[in-house]
Amino acid sequence: DAGVTQSPTHLIKTRGQQVTLRCSPKSGHDTVSWYQQALGQGPQFIFQYYEEEERQRGNFPDRFSGHQFPNYSSELNVNALLLGDSALYLCASSLWESGFFSSYNEQFFGPGTRLTVL
Amino acid sequence: AQKITQTQPGMFVQEKEAVTLDCTYDTSDPSYGLFWYKQPSSGEMIFLIYQGSYDQQNATEGRYSLNFQKARKSANLVISASQLGDSAMYFCAMREANSGGSNYKLTFGKGTLLTVNP
Repeated sequence: DAGVTQSPTHLIKTRGQQVTLRCSPKSGHDTVSWYQQALGQGPQFIFQYYEEEERQRGNFPDRFSGHQFPNYSSELNVNALLLGDSALYLCASSLWESGFFSSYNEQFFGPGTRLTVL
Repeated sequence: AQKITQTQPGMFVQEKEAVTLDCTYDTSDPSYGLFWYKQPSSGEMIFLIYQGSYDQQNATEGRYSLNFQKARKSANLVISASQLGDSAMYFCAMREANSGGSNYKLTFGKGTLLTVNP
C-alpha cells in the first residue's frame, strides 16, 4: 500500500516562472493539504482540498492555487515565482471529518518537493 | 502570539538516555489536538504521537510519551532510551476545532534539532 507520493522530488526554477507540484494521497484518503516549509522553519498551511474544492486557505497570496482531481490526487500551482518561494512543499492526506473530534484522525505526509527559485 | 512555541532550537543527548523536548501552545478553543512529528534530513514528516485535549491520560507510543499539562498549556515529548536514529528535527503541532472549518489544518512550531551522541 503506497503512502503519500509527491513529484517531482526536486525542482529548480527562475523568478517569474510558474511551477506545478503533484501529490497522490494515501489509498483510502480523500483530503489533501499542502504546506510550505522554508529553511529552518516549521511547515505552514497553504490550503486544503476535499471533494475537488478548496476548503480552507492559509495566509498565502493568490499566486498559490490548487486543484483536486476525482481520484483525490492534487496539484499545487505557483505563479510568478519569487526567491522567497524557495522551500520544501509538503503534501498531507487524511480522511475528511464532518465535525471536529478530539480523537486522532491519521494524517500522513509525503516526502516533499524541494523547490529552488533562482 | 505564537500558537506553538518550541524554545529549544537544539538538544543533545547521549545514546540510551532519555530526553525531553519542550512545547507550549496557545489556544482559547476547548477542543484541540496536539501532535509531535519527526523530520529526518530526508524531509518527510513522520507522525510520532497524538494527544487530544479531552484525553485523561498522557499519550504513549513505544519509546515516545507526551507529558500533557493542560493548565500550563504544555505538551512535552519524552523520548526514552535514545537511539542514534532519533537524531532529527522534531516538531510540535496543533489543530483546533475552530480553525475556520478545516478539520486538519495544523499549526507547527519552529522545531527542535535533536542530536544523539554515541
